[in-house]
Amino acid sequence: QKEVEQDPGPLSVPEGAIVSLNCTYSNSAFQYFMWYRQYSRKGPELLMYTYSSGNKEDGRFTAQVDKSSKYISLFIRDSQPSDSATYLCAMIPILTGGGNKLTFGTGTQLKVEL
Amino acid sequence: SAVISQKPSRDICQRGTSLTIQCQVDSQVTMMFWYRQQPGQSLTLIATANQGSEATYESGFVIDKFPISRPNLTFSTLTVSNMSPEDSSIYLCSVEDGQGGVNEQFFGPGTRLTVL
Repeated sequence: QKEVEQDPGPLSVPEGAIVSLNCTYSNSAFQYFMWYRQYSRKGPELLMYTYSSGNKEDGRFTAQVDKSSKYISLFIRDSQPSDSATYLCAMIPILTGGGNKLTFGTGTQLKVEL
Repeated sequence: SAVISQKPSRDICQRGTSLTIQCQVDSQVTMMFWYRQQPGQSLTLIATANQGSEATYESGFVIDKFPISRPNLTFSTLTVSNMSPEDSSIYLCSVEDGQGGVNEQFFGPGTRLTVL
């Protein structure tokens, strides 16, 4: 069993839809949870991160963590064609002073259609 | 945030040859990382490269296959040695930036390698 599971998609939604992207994980030691966005032929860019359980909002993006279920989500409101990308979840046990070893999901490919 | 460039952006190589990938950062960073991203698989850490010391390799990756140099705080190279088609992948370098109190990782654009 992989440490982090993520549905690879592809997920296709109409413009303006609410998108829900999810990951499950097995290692209860994970404390920090990140979402990266990767456009085609580009490196991943950090969208947002959360610590432990709870929600975090940044504009149209909301990250949600449920540690009891080992389940994290990224919601995108009012989705736009520019949101079309692959979204990767990543997590680490603890943020140290350096050398944080991220464990990634496989990524979900999202396409927002006009 | 750090700006990272990689060379080459892509290459097609023959089996048995070696390719060296360069990673350049626009600021001095302590930690640099090399990842592999294979189709349909998650980003996998190959090794961590600190300036002035030997790279630390993850399980399943060895120095003879993936030698790494880190001559200064803004540059690193990864060599993929004695390549086989199974090495076809995207190779990414990343750096940690501790600004804002969170050690975020920033990624380069990647090097797309195809081995025939």
